[in-house]
Amino acid sequence: QVQLQESGPGLVKPSETLSLTCIISSGSISNNYWSWVRQPPGKGLEYIGHVRYSGNSDYNPSLKSRVTMSLDSSKNHFSLRLSSVTAADTAVYFCARFYAYQLPRGYYYYMDVWGKGTSVSVSS
Amino acid sequence: DIVMTQSPLSLPVTPGEPASISCRSSQSLLHSNGYYYLDWYLQKPGQSPQVLIYMGSNRASGVPDRFSGSGSGTDFTLEISRVEAEDVGVYFCMQALQAPRTFGQGTKLEI
Repeated sequence: QVQLQESGPGLVKPSETLSLTCIISSGSISNNYWSWVRQPPGKGLEYIGHVRYSGNSDYNPSLKSRVTMSLDSSKNHFSLRLSSVTAADTAVYFCARFYAYQLPRGYYYYMDVWGKGTSVSVSS
Repeated sequence: DIVMTQSPLSLPVTPGEPASISCRSSQSLLHSNGYYYLDWYLQKPGQSPQVLIYMGSNRASGVPDRFSGSGSGTDFTLEISRVEAEDVGVYFCMQALQAPRTFGQGTKLEI
């Protein structure tokens, strides 16, 4: 059973860069898409983006100028970097795996495994 | 971005009774391949979201058959045939048709 665990600092200063890692256990980073979703306190879910095993990535345009996602197959983990953070970036950050459901032509992707989430506060 | 609107935002229910949550999208979620690109997730208190339904009506692995998804075009529904205590939490719909994926505001189911 694949498990995901987010790790990173719980407190980041304004204007600095938030860096999180998602460690994959009991599964391989290969041949999958990996995503990040965040949830501000008391609010709903916001999709940040995803990174493919190939290394290609796709980001939410609202964050695109500040987001970088990458993966490290040797360590079986993937990462999120969000630069120039403000208080609005305070949230619980979740990593998730996209499961590829095969269609007659192509695949349908949905997030089937999630990490427990890590809380990040932006404050001086 | 596609805007997802859920109703109601709060849903008090009685165990054993049915429950229904509506999700409306600002544009059709029908893909050119004929499938609907809509998922439902449940976030139980203190937990991360878990997938219930994908492609509008397909139950994910391990999801009890009391959960069902339906809909077409821009209107989708998640139904619970008989609510159990373990079903409490916030239900989110999410469109997967167009980047970026967007979620509804969430519906809090309470017993």
